[in-house]
Amino acid sequence: AQKITQTQPGMFVQEKEAVTLDCTYDTSDQSYGLFWYKQPSSGEMIFLIYQGSYDEQNATEGRYSLNFQKARKSANLVISASQLGDSAMYFCAMREGPGTNAGKSTFGDGTTLTVKP
Amino acid sequence: NAGVTQTPKFQVLKTGQSMTLQCAQDMNHEYMSWYRQDPGMGLRLIHYSVGAGITDQGEVPNGYNVSRSTTEDFPLRLLSAAPSQTSVYFCASSYSGFRPGGYTFGSGTRLTVV
Repeated sequence: AQKITQTQPGMFVQEKEAVTLDCTYDTSDQSYGLFWYKQPSSGEMIFLIYQGSYDEQNATEGRYSLNFQKARKSANLVISASQLGDSAMYFCAMREGPGTNAGKSTFGDGTTLTVKP
Repeated sequence: NAGVTQTPKFQVLKTGQSMTLQCAQDMNHEYMSWYRQDPGMGLRLIHYSVGAGITDQGEVPNGYNVSRSTTEDFPLRLLSAAPSQTSVYFCASSYSGFRPGGYTFGSGTRLTVV
């Protein structure tokens, strides 16, 4: 069964500094996708970044990058140059497949990030 | 605008009542899912679908039914509401496979069962 672990319930970072949010995953599949989502206090869920299990390079999307270490089964999110608007809850998620688990995503419990001015 | 439309945004039910949460997407996504989010917690999968006519149970399916007769629509039915079903419900859709894009989420339905 797939499982996502986010060990940091809350994190603080100073504005303009970089921060790393941890995510480890457990799967027996060779083919899977890893995702990060942002949930601001307004409640909507926003997709940030994706990493495929066969991708050799770490994914980047603007100030977001995903530090993918396949052997350690970790997929940490790095936010560079933090902004006040980055204060939110961040969720790591995984989807296995193809196969019987295709279409089913599992989410971690989230990390609440607070950016200090 | 393309996206996932969920209705209603807010709902109060009495214990034992039934209702249907509506979800529609116009992006021709194959995958659709329903999640619930309890306060301060992550998302738990209720039911999901990989295409029209195909649905399966997630982590917490009890008390909920789904159907997917078209690619666009994926309604979630609460059979007999209980206070434990008080939560925020999200519908989400995505392409199949691992194209570099995640879910598109609806804006959520905040449900209170009294």
